[in-house]
Amino acid sequence: QSALTQPASVSGSPGQSITISCIGTTSDVGTFNYVSWYQQHPGQAPKLIIYEVNNRPSGVSNRFSGSKSANTASLTISGLQSEDEADYFCSSYTTSSTRVFGGGTKLTVL
Amino acid sequence: QVQLQESGPGLVEPSETLSLTCTVSGGSVRRGSYYWGWVRQPPGKRPEWIGYIYYSGSTSYNPSLKSRVTISVDTSKNQFSLKLTSVTAADTAMYYCTRWAGEMAAIVDHWGRGTLVTVSS
Repeated sequence: QSALTQPASVSGSPGQSITISCIGTTSDVGTFNYVSWYQQHPGQAPKLIIYEVNNRPSGVSNRFSGSKSANTASLTISGLQSEDEADYFCSSYTTSSTRVFGGGTKLTVL
Repeated sequence: QVQLQESGPGLVEPSETLSLTCTVSGGSVRRGSYYWGWVRQPPGKRPEWIGYIYYSGSTSYNPSLKSRVTISVDTSKNQFSLKLTSVTAADTAMYYCTRWAGEMAAIVDHWGRGTLVTVSS
């Protein structure tokens, strides 16, 4: 099964916007709208922040948004806050009926 | 609020069987539309889907692990379990118990805090 590719790190200043990419293939991201994004602070359990490409669970800030174009999904965080500093990883359903994850991106708020 | 808590040995010897249990609180494993499963993350590597189970006992496993994995559910205790046989150092990872939701059970809407399992003699 293929893996999803994410940048190792991104950074931004408070108030700015950043975008994290999640590059897949036609076997996963490119075929299905079952892309999720998770936020993980050190020592804590991951938290679902986006599901099915661009849906936010109840209680998640509207500063988080998701999108997809072809084989690439993206997570955008607007109005960066210090509390957003965390690891973010994506996942997708696949044509093999499996689930694959990205390698994770460390967000630093400068 | 659903909460998941992993339990089990933190150290397993090579060639032995890794066994973990997840206790669910604030919700029932018998609730329809949800699947209960495991994700692991080796140190410094990406998470890996291990598999999941429905309360009826129906399972789905990662093909790369299928020959060694068994996930079971105990509805009377509101728990589900993972067994991974013939472990090697490559199985050293943080193991998370998870609840899967959505049309294709592709969304992890709840995670446990994780438990680190080290395979070493």
